[in-house]
Amino acid sequence: ETGVTQTPRHLVMGMTNKKSLKCEQHLGHNAMYWYKQSAKKPLELMFVYNFKEQTENNSVPSRFSPECPNSSHLFLHLHTLQPEDSALYLCASSPPLSGRDYDIQPQHFGDGTRLSIL
Amino acid sequence: TQLLEQSPQFLSIQEGENLTVYCNSSSVFSSLQWYRQEPGEGPVLLVTVVTGGEVKKLKRLTFQFGDARKDSSLHITAAQPGDTGLYLCAVLALNTGNQFYFGTGTSLTVIP
Repeated sequence: ETGVTQTPRHLVMGMTNKKSLKCEQHLGHNAMYWYKQSAKKPLELMFVYNFKEQTENNSVPSRFSPECPNSSHLFLHLHTLQPEDSALYLCASSPPLSGRDYDIQPQHFGDGTRLSIL
Repeated sequence: TQLLEQSPQFLSIQEGENLTVYCNSSSVFSSLQWYRQEPGEGPVLLVTVVTGGEVKKLKRLTFQFGDARKDSSLHITAAQPGDTGLYLCAVLALNTGNQFYFGTGTSLTVIP
């Protein structure tokens, strides 16, 4: 039990579907993250929220839409995805980000949602 | 090119052997983290190193941060099947904001 729960664990959807991934953390953290993990590619940071404010959007296509209603919950809304979007989507949380590069925080990851686009 | 290159990419060894994996970059970082990811799970933080030349030990795992803070190594003594997993290094680079970068990973299999 990592304290970060992701649902669903597996999701198969067509390219025209709309679905949402959910992440919930019980660690009292104030920063939350979405990552994409594809085969043969490094873990890619997609979005960062610090105190519910989005601080990073790494040129992620608009078919991925994040939502952070509070510090404990994070969603990733999906619509009209492409086959290359099939991957493991990981959520993480950490203590708040200070903006100082020496103040790297430990990230706690969920076990991910395995997404397959048909 | 990747910011963090890890080597080897794959490693398969017998139980009881020693091994070292590497994380290299041409950039300098204030600190560096190592994570282990087991199949079907998310990465779990093993250690954070913050000082050039720093050595940290976690049971049979020894982590070293390079003197110039551009690279790091992870040495495992007497590997066990439970050490099997994907080992990832990660850094925080603030050149363009709160950017966390992960390395390409080393997939380790320890054969009983």
